[in-house]
This record gives sequence, C-alpha cells and structure tokens, in this order.
Amino acid sequence: GENVEQHPSTLSVQEGDSAVIKCTYSDSASNYFPWYKQELGKGPQLIIDIRSNVGEKKDQRIAVTLNKTAKHFSLHITETQPEDSAVYFCAASILNDMRFGAGTRLTVKP
Amino acid sequence: NAGVTQTPKFQVLKTGQSMTLQCAQDMNHEYMSWYRQDPGMGLRLIHYSVGAGITDQGEVPNGYNVSRSTTEDFPLRLLSAAPSQTSVYFCASSYTRGNTEAFFGQGTRLTVV
Repeated sequence: GENVEQHPSTLSVQEGDSAVIKCTYSDSASNYFPWYKQELGKGPQLIIDIRSNVGEKKDQRIAVTLNKTAKHFSLHITETQPEDSAVYFCAASILNDMRFGAGTRLTVKP
Repeated sequence: NAGVTQTPKFQVLKTGQSMTLQCAQDMNHEYMSWYRQDPGMGLRLIHYSVGAGITDQGEVPNGYNVSRSTTEDFPLRLLSAAPSQTSVYFCASSYTRGNTEAFFGQGTRLTVV
C-alpha cells in the first residue's frame, strides 16, 4: 500500500517568516494530495489540495507544490501568523485509499 | 449545518469494559470512516463504510466493530477495552473514498486504565 513520510515532525518559526513542510509518497499512481490543519482540540480540516495533473497551487498565504518524478510534495506558508500554529498533516490518495503522514507541529512565535 | 458530530468528547474506561463511540453526519455522504490518532503515527484507518449496510476493515481493525444501518450514523464499538486503545478517535465522512475532501468530527479522547 501507499506509504507517506512527513518532515519535520516539529517546526518553530518567528512570526512573519515562512514555513515549509515536506512529504514523500511511495506509490507513483497516487493522484490526490490534500493538506489538513488540526488546531488544538479540534478535528483536521482541509486547507489546500492538489491533484497529480497540477504542479503548484496557491491560496493566499499557502501554497502546495508537487514533484511527481521525485514523488514528493510540500506545503509552503508565507508571512506566518500566530494563528497558523497547529498540527499539519499531508496525505496521498490512490483510487480508494488515502494514507496520512505522521504530522508536523508548527509553532509560530510572536 | 452541523457537519460531523462525535460523542463523547472524553471517556475513561477500565480494561475490559466496552463502549460505543457515536458519529453522525448531515451532509448525505456515502463514505464514512474511523481513524485513531497516536503521537508520531498520524491518522490510521480503523474501519470504513461506503454506504448503508456495507463496512470493511482498515489498517488497524482489531478490537473494534462497526455497523452502518443508516447513511447518517456510523458508530464504533470497542468490544473489550485495552490500554493499547488509549488514543484520540476521529470520525470522518466524504462523498467518496479517497480523492476528495474528508470532513472530520472534533474527536474523542479515550483513556483505558
């Protein structure tokens, strides 16, 4: 089955700096790559996703890039704010199977 | 629009006890699933359902049962709780399995002592 690795497990940045979280996947047939944000005490919520026919997608301060050849994708958050502090999960989906990364705890220091 | 509702939010069980975690969604999604979240291990799929009357096992099904009698409800049963089942449990729903946004409930933090 699909295996998703996520790095780093923790990330601390100063407010205003950029944050980058990277994920790799094992199955080249995976074609959907969502990113979820989990705030304290809440369930994960989709923040951005990308499909395999697209190399990059942006939504205001967040962007996701996909390198199908290398089988990795990344989440980029620019101009970080304290409210970006959360746990972020990547996932890779192939047909009817979605696998999640282990998560990254992002802390934005004011 | 409530989305996905899970109850209870917190639960403490003694080893050997049984209980049911409730999950309901009001988005008319066919696909529903249960995950457990453990530190450093992300979200692991326990059981899932592609529609009323149809359930199947995920990655870590041992010690859990599910049923899906209606489109809206998907309860998770712990048959005989063990300390290894201490975890945070999330119910999720989506239009299809994979390749689409999953909507998660707020989670149930379960401690087995």
